[in-house]
Amino acid sequence: GAGVSQSPRYKVAKRGQDVALRCDPISGHVSLFWYQQALGQGPEFLTYFQNEAQLDKSGLPSDRFFAERPEGSVSTLKIQRTQQEDSAVYLCASSLVAFSNIQYFGAGTRLSVL
Amino acid sequence: QKEVEQDPGPLSVPEGAIVSLNCTYSNSAFQYFMWYRQYSRKGPELLMYTYSSGNKEDGRFTAQVDKSSKYISLFIRDSQPSDSATYLCAMSAGGSQGNLIFGKGTKLSVKP
Repeated sequence: GAGVSQSPRYKVAKRGQDVALRCDPISGHVSLFWYQQALGQGPEFLTYFQNEAQLDKSGLPSDRFFAERPEGSVSTLKIQRTQQEDSAVYLCASSLVAFSNIQYFGAGTRLSVL
Repeated sequence: QKEVEQDPGPLSVPEGAIVSLNCTYSNSAFQYFMWYRQYSRKGPELLMYTYSSGNKEDGRFTAQVDKSSKYISLFIRDSQPSDSATYLCAMSAGGSQGNLIFGKGTKLSVKP
C-alpha cells in the first residue's frame, strides 16, 4: 500500500479484555516500531522489529503487552487483561532500512478501556 | 526531568505570521533531530530532518539545531491556516537506537 495502515482505527474494550492491534507497514520496509501516545503527550517508544526479529522491547510497560511480526511484514500488538491506563493511541511506524530515524507513521489505533 | 522538553502551548498566531517552535534536550548523545506535524486524529508526518548542528530550509520551514546549547527550533514563515496542527520534535542517538524520543508537542493555531 501507499502508507502504513493500522486497524482497527478505534477500539473500545472493557477492563480485563484482551485486544489485538494490527499494523501493515509500507511494503519492503525492514524496520517496524510501535509507539504509545497518551492524550496531550508525544509518542513513547514501545518496541522495535527488524524484519521478524524483535530487537528491542524495552518500552513495553508490562508483561501484559506483547508484539510479534512473524513473517517480517504485518505486526500485531496484543494487550492482555486491559487496564484503564492502557487507554491511548497506539502508533505504528516503518522505515526502509534497519535502525532508521526516518520513520513513516500510520494513523494509529485509539484504544479506550472502560 | 524528561529527556526532551517542549512547551505544549497552545500557540495562536494570525495568518502570515512567523512562527517559532522549539525544544530543549538533555542527552548529549542525540545526533538526529526531526520535526513532525500531527493533525487531529492523524499520525505524525515527518516535516524536517537534520543531522547534527546547523540549519536546514525547505520552503516555508527552517529547522535549526544548536548542539552546544541542546536547543532545536522550527520556524514557519508566512503561516497559513492549514499549518494549524500539533508540532512534535523528535530526537535519536542513532546507531542501534533507532527509536525516537519525542517532545510533548506544541499545538499551533493559525487564524485567518
